[in-house]
Amino acid sequence: KAGVTQTPRYLIKTRGQQVTLSCSPISGHRSVSWYQQTPGQGLQFLFEYFSETQRNKGNFPGRFSGRQFSNSRSEMNVSTLELGDSALYLCASSLYGTSGYNEQFFGPGTRLTVL
Amino acid sequence: GDSVTQMEGPVTLSEEAFLTINCTYTATGYPSLFWYVQYPGEGLQLLLKATKADDKGSNKGFEATYRKETTSFHLEKGSVQVSDSAVYFCALSGGGADGLTFGKGTHLIIQP
Repeated sequence: KAGVTQTPRYLIKTRGQQVTLSCSPISGHRSVSWYQQTPGQGLQFLFEYFSETQRNKGNFPGRFSGRQFSNSRSEMNVSTLELGDSALYLCASSLYGTSGYNEQFFGPGTRLTVL
Repeated sequence: GDSVTQMEGPVTLSEEAFLTINCTYTATGYPSLFWYVQYPGEGLQLLLKATKADDKGSNKGFEATYRKETTSFHLEKGSVQVSDSAVYFCALSGGGADGLTFGKGTHLIIQP
């Protein structure tokens, strides 16, 4: 079974631009979560989508948004990019969601650099 | 809110040494606990998990026991290999916060 895939793997943008990242979950998984990884803040939860609905959201500004399609693929959008948005963005999929003992399967990440 | 604390390192050991990476947590409710590993240039892989007090998770020679009384989930391995060099993250879910709450990660370096 194919794992979680993320595209693109690397991205360079300039301040003020917007960016869209894509995540394809493991087949059959209905939950997709997004995390931001930076050297300073570590791994932080952005949001979770389940069956096309945002179910949970972390403490990030409204510039960070996402959506999920009927085939469970998810996109994350960041508008008006700031230098501090430079990070590795990880996507994780699971059968039932992020609560409790549900195992999260992570993709390789998209490395975003904002200049 | 929920939080996870672990040593950040780097932790440098010789091959075949005994490994302990400490992890303590603060959470409401009854969280599940996880150890993830991240190799250079890759995403996170689940190493092991425990869902209730006194559970022991184990995989690839690594073990960790869910200790509710000390709110800890320390990772151990009896004999490390060079291939174990990676960053290890302790995490919890099912506490008061949404999603997984991660520690800062421990960079482990194993020298031959």
